[in-house]
Amino acid sequence: GAVVSQHPSWVICKSGTSVKIECRSLDFQATTMFWYRQFPKQSLMLMATSNEGSKATYEQGVEKDKFLINHASLTLSTLTVTSAHPEDSSFYICSADSGTNYYEQYFGPGTRLTVT
Amino acid sequence: AQKITQTQPGMFVQEKEAVTLDCTYDTSDPSYGLFWYKQPSSGEMIFLIYQGSYDQQNATEGRYSLNFQKARKSANLVISASQLGDSAMYFCAMRAAGGTSYGKLTFGQGTILTVHP
Repeated sequence: GAVVSQHPSWVICKSGTSVKIECRSLDFQATTMFWYRQFPKQSLMLMATSNEGSKATYEQGVEKDKFLINHASLTLSTLTVTSAHPEDSSFYICSADSGTNYYEQYFGPGTRLTVT
Repeated sequence: AQKITQTQPGMFVQEKEAVTLDCTYDTSDPSYGLFWYKQPSSGEMIFLIYQGSYDQQNATEGRYSLNFQKARKSANLVISASQLGDSAMYFCAMRAAGGTSYGKLTFGQGTILTVHP
């Protein structure tokens, strides 16, 4: 089956530093990848959509300069949280779309970010 | 715009009994997909079941079935013979098949299911 990995699975960083989270599709090519953010016991909120080789499309209210997304290849998308602050602490989940069936979207295991 | 509503913040069920998790949706798109995901405490999103807006029959996957009532815009998840391992957060989601929202998943608020022994 289709597998999506995320690295790291958890990270603790100091306020003001930047953190990069990787999302990889391991056994398929992902035409589109999505980044979600989830606070404890809340729903997933879509942050942005990224397509390989083009700029990410951000949802309303998401700061594109703070959450940098790069989709460098058909198997890798990265989310960089720049100048992180404690309020950026959250669970970040990526998903990948193979493009073959629109209902098939595969989720990564998530990355838990804690900013101290 | 698409909207998913889950009105049950928490549900309790006895082991081996059936439980229904409610989901209503709103969309102006004629074509869409409805999904249910399970999220255990580990955080991973586990796909459970999918229903296309043009599917005539309700979807079933093992112990999971989706009660799709298009006119009422509801897509309730039925879990039969509950197991202790079913305790988790459950999300209903919708995906547009076209337009500017193509591919994006919109999630409901989620329902925390607790299965009692």
